Amino acid sequence: KQEVTQIPAALSVPEGENLVLNCSFTDSAIYNLQWFRQDPGKGLTSLLLIQSSQREQTSGRLNASLDKSSGRSTLYIAASQPGDSATYLCAVKIAAGNKLTFGGGTRVLVKP
Amino acid sequence: DTGVSQNPRHKITKRGQNVTFRCDPISEHNRLYWYRQTLGQGPEFLTYFQNEAQLEKSRLLSDRFSAERPKGSFSTLEIQRTEQGDSAMYLCASSRRGGGEADTQYFGPGTRLTVL
Repeated sequence: KQEVTQIPAALSVPEGENLVLNCSFTDSAIYNLQWFRQDPGKGLTSLLLIQSSQREQTSGRLNASLDKSSGRSTLYIAASQPGDSATYLCAVKIAAGNKLTFGGGTRVLVKP
Repeated sequence: DTGVSQNPRHKITKRGQNVTFRCDPISEHNRLYWYRQTLGQGPEFLTYFQNEAQLEKSRLLSDRFSAERPKGSFSTLEIQRTEQGDSAMYLCASSRRGGGEADTQYFGPGTRLTVL
């Protein structure tokens, strides 16, 4: 059974610092991995999707890497801003069209 | 493309009552998913439709839960005889058919259920 873990559960940084968020999964046979942002009481916003054949994806200040063999993905957010404060969730999929298995999320606070 | 919509956004009910939630996916998305999220946890998969066919159901989906997608467009999730443990955010997501970027799941704002 696929299990996804995100450590730490919470993180606080001063504005301007780079954020590094970790995600690990137990079964390396994944189809893709998706990173989401969730604001309190809201739904999920997709940030990046990495196919199993890719090593990284970038969008603006966000960069996500994937190392399937070690079962890890890392989300980097450069030059953090208070508006980046949210919970970040990673999720993996084992086949196209299949369900997502989520980690517990990392709650990020960027202090001005 | 107006995004995934869910109604109602909030529902407060008494234990033992039945509730029904609706999800309208992004138009032309033929895959639709339901997830449940409790406070401080990641979402957990409940069930999945491709067009009108329900292809997978989680063991979390007890006999009190039923989901339908009668015409392959909107979906409903009904919970019968609600219990306090059903209190959670119920999230709906949709995606297009196909692999690669088309496989991205887009989520609605969720329906928050509180069972008193």
